[in-house]
This record gives sequence, structure tokens and C-alpha cells, in this order.
Amino acid sequence: GAVVSQHPSRVICKSGTSVKIECRSLDFQATTMFWYRQFPKQSLMLMATSNEGSKATYEQGVEKDKFLINHASLTLSTLTVTSAHPEDSSFYICSSRWGKETQYFGPGTRLLVL
Amino acid sequence: EDKVVQSPLSLVVHEGDTVTLNCSYEVTNFRSLLWYKQEKKAPTFLFMLTSSGIEKKSGRLSSILDKKELFSILNITATQTGDSAVYLCAVGTGTASKLTFGTGTRLQVTL
Repeated sequence: GAVVSQHPSRVICKSGTSVKIECRSLDFQATTMFWYRQFPKQSLMLMATSNEGSKATYEQGVEKDKFLINHASLTLSTLTVTSAHPEDSSFYICSSRWGKETQYFGPGTRLLVL
Repeated sequence: EDKVVQSPLSLVVHEGDTVTLNCSYEVTNFRSLLWYKQEKKAPTFLFMLTSSGIEKKSGRLSSILDKKELFSILNITATQTGDSAVYLCAVGTGTASKLTFGTGTRLQVTL
């Protein structure tokens, strides 16, 4: 399968700070990438669709001012969690869409906000 | 609201057994159904299904989609301990093919 990387793999930060997570599509150019979060023993929940060169589309209930998404190139999307709080602690996973349907996932970033 | 339901929620089998995992869905603007395997990190892609009745196969794994009855199954034959994982079913909808995930089936294969 295709390779998607995420950086960092794990981050611990203090409450109130901002954290940036990078997602790179290494094998192909992706006009569309997606950001998910996953709580322990739960499934993946889509947060937003990241479109290259345009604004991200956020799912209902996801604050766009808190979760800033930038898709500046065909291989890179970034998610910035602004003013992080302990309830933002989660596993954040990105994916790149290949073709019309298939998504390949990055290895995920585990965020812990103290 | 789009909905994807997987069953069973968890399953324990002995090595060598055959298992069938189920996924049913109620969505608008269906495009595709995908199966993923998730171990400790992010999901790895297994299959994508778009047409009814056509079985996809990869080694001991196979899957089929029934668009009339709105479900799919994932079969694993001759299970091995390395098959232990959470198996996720996701349905792609809309022009962006957004994925709605089921809660997953946790499979444990014991010796």
C-alpha cells in the first residue's frame, strides 16, 4: 500500500499551548487528505477534509478555529491544535485519498495535553 | 445520519478456525465500502468494494459486498495469531468519498 507519514508520532504538551502535526503523502500527490481522531477503544471519527489550495471542510461539531488545517502542497497537510486542553488528548490520524475511493492512513500522532 | 454497524464487537477463536466478520450500513450517496486492519497504530488497507457479488481475495482473506441488502462480510480462513487485530469497516460517501467507520470487530486468535 501507499506510504503516508505523520510527524510527530507522539507529543506531550502543556495546556494552553499549540501543537502542529504534519501529514505527508510520500508515494503520490493527494489533492484530498483527511484528518481523524480516535479515542481509546473507539473507532475513527472524521474531523475534516483537507483540500489542496482551498479551505478545509469541517465535520459538524469540530471547531475550525481550534483545529487549523493547512494543505499547502499536494503532499503535505498540517493540523494545528490551538490552545490545547486535556480533553484534546487523543490519537490523531491523517489519510491521503488515492484515486476516487481508497484512503491510505498515516501511522498516527498520539497527543497528550497535561 | 450515515451509520455503519459491525458485528460481532469482539471474537476469540483458536488458530486454524475460520471467521466471518459482518458490516451493515445505512448511508446516503454510497460510493464504496472498505475494510481495514488496525493493530497498534493506524489502519492498514485490506479491500475496497464497489460492486455487488464480486469477491475480492487476498491470501486467506476475502470479502464480498451486497448492495441490495446493504452489507459486507470479511472472511478469514485458517486464522493465525498474527490476524489478531481490530477490523474496521468504512463506507465512502459523497463526491469527496468521506469515510464513515464502524466501531470495529476485535479479533483475538489464540494458540
